[in-house]
Amino acid sequence: AQSVTQLGSHVSVSEGALVLLRCNYSSSVPPYLFWYVQYPNQGLQLLLKYTSAATLVKGINGFEAEFKKSETSFHLTKPSAHMSDAAEYFCAVNGGTSYGKLTFGQGTILTVHP
Amino acid sequence: EAGVAQSPRYKIIEKRQSVAFWCNPISGHATLYWYQQILGQGPKLLIQFQNNGVVDDSQLPKDRFSAERLKGVDSTLKIQPAKLEDSAVYLCASSLGLAGGFGYEQFFGPGTRLTVL
Repeated sequence: AQSVTQLGSHVSVSEGALVLLRCNYSSSVPPYLFWYVQYPNQGLQLLLKYTSAATLVKGINGFEAEFKKSETSFHLTKPSAHMSDAAEYFCAVNGGTSYGKLTFGQGTILTVHP
Repeated sequence: EAGVAQSPRYKIIEKRQSVAFWCNPISGHATLYWYQQILGQGPKLLIQFQNNGVVDDSQLPKDRFSAERLKGVDSTLKIQPAKLEDSAVYLCASSLGLAGGFGYEQFFGPGTRLTVL
């Protein structure tokens, strides 16, 4: 079975500060990892994905994530937060026998203060 | 390119009533997913279709939930009878990849927010 743990249900940063959202996964097979963002009353939008190519993955809106197998982590970062980054972020994993379904973490709400 | 469409966007019902949600995936996407997102949690897969066949319904409460994808295009998810704990957002997603293919992006609709009183 696969699982995802997101450390911190709420993260608050100042505008211009570094954003770091933590994700650890558990998988018995090489994982495919995703970060999605959800704005209020909207569906999920893909930020970036890791599919066993480069370990440092760049996504939309200036976000990036690094796959670290030894730490079973896929943390999401952005050097400088913008007010528009305020949203809920979900880390997800698929692979193995999951037939493509995504297993999501519980989400992290990012608040950006002016 | 049109995205995943869902209707209705909001629904309020009383417990023991029935409700149905509709989803129209992106054209050409073979795989369709229904997820349940309870407040404060990540989405959880209810059922996955490849074309008009069910690939995974292991997490679907089959005593009250049913879903179909006739003609391999749009899909309907039904709850009958509803319980208080069914209050959630129901998300539909579609993917170009076939079931068993990993790494394909899933495109999500805006969801239907269900409140059961």
